[in-house]
Amino acid sequence: EVQLLESGGGLVQPGGSLRLSCAASGFTFDNYAMTWVRQPPGKGLEWVSLISAHSLRSDYADSVKGRFVISRDNSKNTVFLQMNSLRAEDTAMYYCAKDKQRGAGEDHFDYWGQGTLVAVSS
Amino acid sequence: DIQMTQSPSTLSASVGDRVTITCRASQSIFTWLAWYQQKPGKAPNLLVYKASSLESGVPSRFSGSGSGTEFTLTIGSLQPDDFATYYCQQYDSYPLTFGGGTKVEIK
Repeated sequence: EVQLLESGGGLVQPGGSLRLSCAASGFTFDNYAMTWVRQPPGKGLEWVSLISAHSLRSDYADSVKGRFVISRDNSKNTVFLQMNSLRAEDTAMYYCAKDKQRGAGEDHFDYWGQGTLVAVSS
Repeated sequence: DIQMTQSPSTLSASVGDRVTITCRASQSIFTWLAWYQQKPGKAPNLLVYKASSLESGVPSRFSGSGSGTEFTLTIGSLQPDDFATYYCQQYDSYPLTFGGGTKVEIK
C-alpha cells in the first residue's frame, strides 16, 4: 500500500524557515518524481515544486522561486521542502504527492499525503 | 504561465442529475489534463488523466473529454458521495497549474 506521510509543519514568524519532510513507502521511490502542492485555508490548490526521480530536474512556482528548495534522499525514501524567508501568504496545508507515471514529463499525481499545516504569523 | 479557468465555481445539483464541469486553458495543452476530487479536510484524489483516461478504481459515472483548450468532466448520475470540490490541472508545461475549483453542492 502506497503511503506518504508529511511532517515538519508548524507556526513560524515571518522571515523564518521551516523544513518539511515526506516519508514514502509502498512503491519504488526512486522511479518517480515527487511534488509539493499547497492549499491556503478555504482556497484552491497551488503547485509549489517538483523534483525528478534522481534529482536531475527540479521546478518551482514563481511565488516560491529563490526561497524554497526541494530535495530528496532516495536511500531514505524521503522528499524535503526547505522553506526560507517565509511570508504570511505561505500559510497553507502542504501536501506531497507522487507522480502517476514513471519517468519524466507526465506530471499528474495518483497518491497524496494527508498534509502538514504551515502557519506564518507574528 | 498557462491559466486554467473552471466554470461554474459552484454548482447545485440533486442526486441522479447529470453534471458537467468545464475547464479552459489559456493556450493549447493538447490532452495533458487531469481532474481531481477533494472532500473537506482530505487530500485530492485523482479521477481522470490525459483528459479522458479514468483512474483505476474510479466509478464509471465519471468521464472526461476535450483537447486543446477546452475540457469537461461529466458525472453521469450524481451520487451522495460525489458532493465535493473538483479541480483540473494542466501538465503540458511548467509551472504546473490548477483551476480554481468547482464546488458541487446539494440542491
